[in-house]
Amino acid sequence: SAVISQKPSRDICQRGTSLTIQCQVDSQVTMMFWYRQQPGQSLTLIATANQGSEATYESGFVIDKFPISRPNLTFSTLTVSNMSPEDSSIYLCSSGDRGGYTFGSGTRLTVV
Amino acid sequence: KNQVEQSPQSLIILEGKNCTLQCNYTVSPFSNLRWYKQDTGRGPVSLTIMTFSENTKSNGRYTATLDADTKQSSLHITASQLSDSASYICVVSEGGGANNLFFGTGTRLTVIP
Repeated sequence: SAVISQKPSRDICQRGTSLTIQCQVDSQVTMMFWYRQQPGQSLTLIATANQGSEATYESGFVIDKFPISRPNLTFSTLTVSNMSPEDSSIYLCSSGDRGGYTFGSGTRLTVV
Repeated sequence: KNQVEQSPQSLIILEGKNCTLQCNYTVSPFSNLRWYKQDTGRGPVSLTIMTFSENTKSNGRYTATLDADTKQSSLHITASQLSDSASYICVVSEGGGANNLFFGTGTRLTVIP
């Protein structure tokens, strides 16, 4: 399976600011995904990051709030924009290929 | 509705003891089922993956079972260690080309000395 490096691992941000999370995969993968995991909850899919085209967002998530980039088959970013305390969560990226799904180590975001 | 339910929600066991975690799903069509271990504040790490035809899969002290007829899976942990303290998440992949993943809410396991 692919190995994913995700950064930052954690951050504390001011309300109203934005944070960009990066994920680097050690091999080319067809699919990359971004998830949010709120305290005590399971993972919720935010969007599928498509290489060379706009991301596909799940219900309840919009591009203005969570812009995503996927410039190539090994890299993707998720930006959490105009943050509020409700955005405090763990954000994870994942890659999927025929070998299965691998997750990044997560970004623990606290908005104050 | 495609769902994955796990039980118990949380579990505390003594070091060295065995335990079994349960996962029931309604996802259809079914592609595969994975168990992940997630340490606090970290991303999930895959333990096992099973397809429709597989009944048992082991990974060290972790043994997963799958009954595709009853749509149930279990994860058995043998001779637990303090480092087993984590959340264990059951993830079911939808088949038929959809590639959707359905996550259980996890079982929080605490191993105490």
